[in-house]
Order: sequence, then structure tokens, then C-alpha cells
Amino acid sequence: GAGVSQSPSNKVTEKGKDVELRCDPISGHTALYWYRQRLGQGLEFLIYFQGNSAPDKSGLPSDRFSAERTGESVSTLTIQRTQQEDSAVYLCASSSPGRAMNTEAFFGQGTRLTVV
Amino acid sequence: DQQVKQNSPSLSVQEGRISILNCDYTNSMFDYFLWYKKYPAEGPTFLISISSIKDKNEDGRFTVFLNKSAKHLSLHIVPSQPGDSAVYFCAASEGNTGKLIFGQGTTLQVKP
Repeated sequence: GAGVSQSPSNKVTEKGKDVELRCDPISGHTALYWYRQRLGQGLEFLIYFQGNSAPDKSGLPSDRFSAERTGESVSTLTIQRTQQEDSAVYLCASSSPGRAMNTEAFFGQGTRLTVV
Repeated sequence: DQQVKQNSPSLSVQEGRISILNCDYTNSMFDYFLWYKKYPAEGPTFLISISSIKDKNEDGRFTVFLNKSAKHLSLHIVPSQPGDSAVYFCAASEGNTGKLIFGQGTTLQVKP
């Protein structure tokens, strides 16, 4: 696709339920990021996939959070047993790092998750 | 441990004047810095970047300055326009990973 696509755009779920958020990165982008933005807060790093390297999961807030990526394609972020504190906008981004690994990332529109 | 910090949550300037947004970082391994702009209900969009081998990069009304010794960078917007009103995020990455770390953001309001 032309840009990073995230689905759903909005999700309301009951506390305790599991949710799955999807990200389709820009075709050919080897790097994929998940961030979280709580109301009035900054962009909180969650997880980073780069090519065939082991993902950097250092930002995942608890073991209820997990993410997978199929090759250099779609990624899913799963939150198990959701809590009200998980309510936030979840943003996905992708990039195509060159040899220097430094390049800008392109963001999707985000998924607004509300846990009630 | 906040590696990238934007200490001013908000800034208000008059249209036509200069906007200066600041960012500080703690990790000396960061070697690439970026500024993003975010409107409500949209994802952040890339504005401008700078490599650590430079101290200034300019693109139209936007200029980013990097002071490595102070671990500080700033974004200058001149002249500011009402359409520049948005949240601005500073980000940094290490060349050996490419992982981007963002600051908390600064909300800029440009008044007509």
C-alpha cells in the first residue's frame, strides 16, 4: 500500500478481554515499530522489529503485551486481559533503514483503544 | 529513564514570529535526530532530521540545530504560521540499531 495501514481505527473492549491490533507496513520496509500514546502523554516505545533480527521488546509494559511480525510484512500487537490503563492510541510505524540504519519512520493513523 | 526529553509541554507564538522548540537527550550513542509533527487524530509525520556529523540542517521554514556537547537540539520555525499549530515530537536513534526513541512532545500554538 501507499502508507502504513492500521486496523481497526477504533476499538472499545471490556476490561479483561483480549484485543488484537493489526499493522500493515509500507511494502519493502524492513523495520517496524509499535508505540503507545496515552492521553496527554508522549510516544512510548513498545517493540521494534528489524529484518531477521530478534525483536527489541524492551518497551512492552507487561507480559500481557506481545507482538508478532510475519517476515517483513504484517504485524499484530496482542493485549491479553485488558485493563483500563491500556486505553491509549497505539501507533505503528515502518522504515527502510539503509546501511547506516538511520532513516525516518512513517506512521499509520493509529488504533484508539478504549477499555471500559 | 527518559532518554529524550522535551521539557516544555507547550509554546504559544504570534503568526510571523519565530518558534523555537527544544529537546535534550542523555544517550551519547544517539547519532541521528528527527522532528515529527502530529495533528489530532492523525499519525505523526516526519518534518526534518539531522545526523550527528552536522550541527545544522535547513529545509524551507524549518531549521534544526544540534549541539552535541550539550546533548541538545532545537527546531526553529520561521516565520510561524497558524497551520504549524500541532504537537512536535523530537526523536533520536542509534546507528547500530535504528530504533527510534521519542520525547514527550511540545504543543505549539501559532496565533493569527
